Amino acid sequence: GEDVEQSLFLSVREGDSSVINCTYTDSSSTYLYWYKQEPGAGLQLLTYIFSNMDMKQDQRLTVLLNKKDKHLSLRIADTQTGDSAIYFCAEGLRGGYNKLIFGAGTRLAVHP
Amino acid sequence: DTAVSQTPKYLVTQMGNDKSIKCEQNLGHDTMYWYKQDSKKFLKIMFSYNNKELIINETVPNRFSPKSPDKAHLNLHINSLELGDSAVYFCASSLKAPSSYNEQFFGPGTRLTVL
Repeated sequence: GEDVEQSLFLSVREGDSSVINCTYTDSSSTYLYWYKQEPGAGLQLLTYIFSNMDMKQDQRLTVLLNKKDKHLSLRIADTQTGDSAIYFCAEGLRGGYNKLIFGAGTRLAVHP
Repeated sequence: DTAVSQTPKYLVTQMGNDKSIKCEQNLGHDTMYWYKQDSKKFLKIMFSYNNKELIINETVPNRFSPKSPDKAHLNLHINSLELGDSAVYFCASSLKAPSSYNEQFFGPGTRLTVL
């Protein structure tokens, strides 16, 4: 089946690390993505990981993938107020035209 | 030099009316999508077109009819609007990339409110 689940809210203090978790069900996923949505705006790709990788680091962002458990996480180091947004996990399904299945989004609130 | 643009940004209308939302991309992409985001922020794909051909058609009422006059444009026409159609509708586009990386570029959204 096609299902992606995320916790809905996360609140962190400025300067701390944030970890947003996601689980997915389709083991044939090719790429997994993290999108960011700021208030009143569309989604923007933040980072992605290919399904045969375990980890990807990009500046303050670290993506971990546990393919056995179908678990994906996004760690944001030194979280800033500008990181406050909704973060969507998405899996790209193999075959056809790469339909993306999105999670419900995790609302990250960063407070001083 | 907007990449994916949508019009209008806001649309307020009465139940039973017919309305259209337009989308254009200047990225040279082959594939375009319509998503619906409800008040709880759930994002669901509705349709996808590749080079003017419908390739994804999720379970959507047939009051919704997408039209792609060319690969840079994808419009969404909605007949007999209902209260439950109130949502933010996002257009997106991507390069055709079967079984491969598929970054989708999103428009700013159209907030539809049905009264």
